[in-house]
Amino acid sequence: DTEVTQTPKHLVMGMTNKKSLKCEQHMGHRAMYWYKQKAKKPPELMFVYSYEKLSINESVPSRFSPECPNSSLLNLHLHALQPEDSALYLCASSQDGLGTGENNEQFFGPGTRLTVL
Amino acid sequence: AQKITQTQPGMFVQEKEAVTLDCTYDTSDPSYGLFWYKQPSSGEMIFLIYQGSYDQQNATEGRYSLNFQKARKSANLVISASQLGDSAMYFCAMRLDSNYQLIWGAGTKLIIKP
Repeated sequence: DTEVTQTPKHLVMGMTNKKSLKCEQHMGHRAMYWYKQKAKKPPELMFVYSYEKLSINESVPSRFSPECPNSSLLNLHLHALQPEDSALYLCASSQDGLGTGENNEQFFGPGTRLTVL
Repeated sequence: AQKITQTQPGMFVQEKEAVTLDCTYDTSDPSYGLFWYKQPSSGEMIFLIYQGSYDQQNATEGRYSLNFQKARKSANLVISASQLGDSAMYFCAMRLDSNYQLIWGAGTKLIIKP
């Protein structure tokens, strides 16, 4: 199994809603990532988990709350979002968080297209 | 500072022709990796090819090859015999050995004409 899955595919939410994005991988990867991508722009890193511990938080507002329940799962909890948070949210995983090497490329999921009304 | 530059915002190419997508990078670190990703309109980011800074030979993966010129700090992607399905956004990215963050270029939108 060489894929990263994300649910839901699309999400529309109001500014007062609470929702969660889910990401799953079964490749035995030990690093998982959340990215935000606006249209026609490259992805922006939000969070990195390495060995189930939060390693990087790129100064993301607290209305985004990541969670890594186990090595295969990564969630992103959303609360009180703003319309400017509308974007494609991509999850990725890599074999190891540190170092380079071909076996350390990041595999991406299909993304969740989030619209905040 | 580390940076990736993709100078071609958009390209139109005739089907079956070869296409070169430009990527230059800037880093003073000696150890790094260079990646190319393809992003169709569906949104998924698809890994295409990788080149390590110490690799002596240019990387190849099927119809994709990476023209790595270290002295010029360039890592151009070459797609041979382009197909309609190659139409997508293409991103060049770099990762330093000391850090697991990807540094992304702005992307090139490639459109293959029938």
